[in-house]
Amino acid sequence: QVQLQESGPGLVKPSETLSLSCSVSGGSIGTYYWNWIRQSAGKELEVIGRIHTTGNTIYNPSLKSRVTMSVDTFKNQFSLRLRSVTAADSAIYYCAREFTYVDAYDVWGQGTMVTVSS
Amino acid sequence: DIQMTQSPTSLSASVGDRVTITCRASQSIATYLSWYQQKPGKAPKLLMYAASTLQNGVPSRFSASGSGTDFTLTISSLQPDDFATYSCQQSYSRPWTFGRGTRVEIK
Repeated sequence: QVQLQESGPGLVKPSETLSLSCSVSGGSIGTYYWNWIRQSAGKELEVIGRIHTTGNTIYNPSLKSRVTMSVDTFKNQFSLRLRSVTAADSAIYYCAREFTYVDAYDVWGQGTMVTVSS
Repeated sequence: DIQMTQSPTSLSASVGDRVTITCRASQSIATYLSWYQQKPGKAPKLLMYAASTLQNGVPSRFSASGSGTDFTLTISSLQPDDFATYSCQQSYSRPWTFGRGTRVEIK
C-alpha cells in the first residue's frame, strides 16, 4: 500500500526557511492531491496546503505569504518550503494524501518534528 | 475559517463502555465531516468520512452521525486499542479545519 515518509532538518533557526520533503512509495504520486499538515503542541491539526502533480496548489491563507510547495513526479516526492520561520512554526509536520472521493486524508506520513530555535 | 469544537476535551472510560464524542461546526457543513484517531507519537488515522461512512478496515464498533453543524462519533464497546485522541475535520470549505480533539483515557 502507499506509504509516505517525511524528511528534513529537525532544527531551523528563526527567520530562516524550513524545508521538508515527502517521499511516496508503494504507488504513484499521480492523480492525487498531496498535503502538508502540522500540529503544534497542544493545538489542533492545521492544514498548510496541498499540491497536485499538475503543480496546482492551494495554500492556507494564514500561511500563504510564506509557503511554497513543489512536486517532483520523477522522484515520486513533494516538498514544502516555509520562509521566515518563528518559534510559532515549531510543530510536528505531516505529509498526507487527500483522497478526493471521500474528501479526507486517508494516508499519512509518520510526521517529523521541527523546532525553530537559535 | 470554519471552527470545529469538540466535547468533551477528555473523558475516562472502561473497556466495554459506550463512548460518544461530539463535534460542532461554526456553520453548516452538510455532511462534509471526517473523524480521525491518533495515538501518542503516531499520525492520525482516518476512521470515518462523509459524516457516517466507515473507512475500510475500521471496526464496526465505530459509528458516526450528524449533518449541518452537529456530529457525533460513537464507540459501542470500548476496546483497549481504542484509547487515543479523536479529532473531527470539516471538508466543506478551505482551509479544511480540525477540532482540538477528545482524549479517551482509561478509567
